[in-house]
Amino acid sequence: AQSVTQLGSHVSVSEGALVLLRCNYSSSVPPYLFWYVQYPNQGLQLLLKYTSAATLVKGINGFEAEFKKSETSFHLTKPSAHMSDAAEYFCAVSQAGANSKLTFGKGITLSVRP
Amino acid sequence: DTEVTQTPKHLVMGMTNKKSLKCEQHMGHRAMYWYKQKAKKPPELMFVYSYEKLSINESVPSRFSPECPNSSLLNLHLHALQPEDSALYLCASSLGSGDQPQHFGDGTRLSIL
Repeated sequence: AQSVTQLGSHVSVSEGALVLLRCNYSSSVPPYLFWYVQYPNQGLQLLLKYTSAATLVKGINGFEAEFKKSETSFHLTKPSAHMSDAAEYFCAVSQAGANSKLTFGKGITLSVRP
Repeated sequence: DTEVTQTPKHLVMGMTNKKSLKCEQHMGHRAMYWYKQKAKKPPELMFVYSYEKLSINESVPSRFSPECPNSSLLNLHLHALQPEDSALYLCASSLGSGDQPQHFGDGTRLSIL
């Protein structure tokens, strides 16, 4: 069994401020973890993934995430927010094996204030 | 540019109509997926095809009928839909194993009158 918890539904930051989007997971086996971003009227775009190599993962658009097994967390960060980062962000978990399902968190809306 | 192409981008249909959604990928992926997404919600898995065979059906009503004609194409046939079926329908593809990310199309926005 696997699940993802994204606390809160909306995060607002000022342009240039740190972005921190939280994700906690539950998995009965070692997980694979993903962050996706969805801009209005678009599909989901992969930001980064953790697949048991380095625990600090760098992604596109300056985002990174750190896998912490002891905290069952995979929080997404970006040092300096840009207006273009405003979007919906989904954390997701899957497990090894064929036909493995991707389980999404409920998502967080990021707003960036000028 | 997305590598998974979905057509049409928008579709409005009545409850008695029959229509189809199409999805195409040329990344050599062997797994293809249909998701339904309501506003401000995460995608909900509907179907999974693996090597052109239906491997997962998440108890989707029979008014949705998937089809995988070949490894690059995925269709979703729609018939007698209900207003609550109005949503964004997303197609995705992947190499199939759990460590491989899914690549999503931009979806078809479906409205049922």
